[in-house]
Amino acid sequence: GAGVSQTPSNKVTEKGKYVELRCDPISGHTALYWYRQSLGQGPEFLIYFQGTGAADDSGLPNDRFFAVRPEGSVSTLKIQRTERGDSAVYLCASSPTGALRTDTQYFGPGTRLTVL
Amino acid sequence: AQSVTQPDIHITVSEGASLELRCNYSYGATPYLFWYVQSPGQGLQLLLKYFSGDTLVQGIKGFEAEFKRSQSSFNLRKPSVHWSDAAEYFCAVGARRGGGADGLTFGKGTHLIIQP
Repeated sequence: GAGVSQTPSNKVTEKGKYVELRCDPISGHTALYWYRQSLGQGPEFLIYFQGTGAADDSGLPNDRFFAVRPEGSVSTLKIQRTERGDSAVYLCASSPTGALRTDTQYFGPGTRLTVL
Repeated sequence: AQSVTQPDIHITVSEGASLELRCNYSYGATPYLFWYVQSPGQGLQLLLKYFSGDTLVQGIKGFEAEFKRSQSSFNLRKPSVHWSDAAEYFCAVGARRGGGADGLTFGKGTHLIIQP
């Protein structure tokens, strides 16, 4: 079946602009995660959704970052007033229930964001 | 808070030779431990995971890992590497986060280079 997909695969924007990154999780997965991977680093947790609600947004770096999942499937990560330091690969993952003991998190290929 | 250290940024191994990638974790309770592989242009793929029980865990692609509580380590091994194993490898620890979510904390990764 289809895996986690993310669009666009690459996004180049100018400093100060607004961007939206989309994640389509595996069908039926209630848990959805966003991670950010900077160059030479491992993925860092941003936010976790259980269904439509953000159960944990403690990883969002500041209030310029926001994410939604209005119908419990597709999620959009929104970044306002982008800064050069936001340049990174943004990864999305989904899992059936969110319980690490029983689930596997399946990752998408990521969106590479470049802020000029 | 939990953390993961991967001491080796790069490792070069000859094709057919054995491999060991090091991972040390810091976590107060019994950890959930994972190894993921990331190939260029591909999403993170789970190689194996440890929750409890047998400390030697078998994974996909011929990989295994051994949990050693006394050393806070979870090293990844393969007896004979293939050129297709060249990739970035990430160790991760899973733990309950705020809001009741289970989240992953990743190390910075080890870049594996295979020499012919």
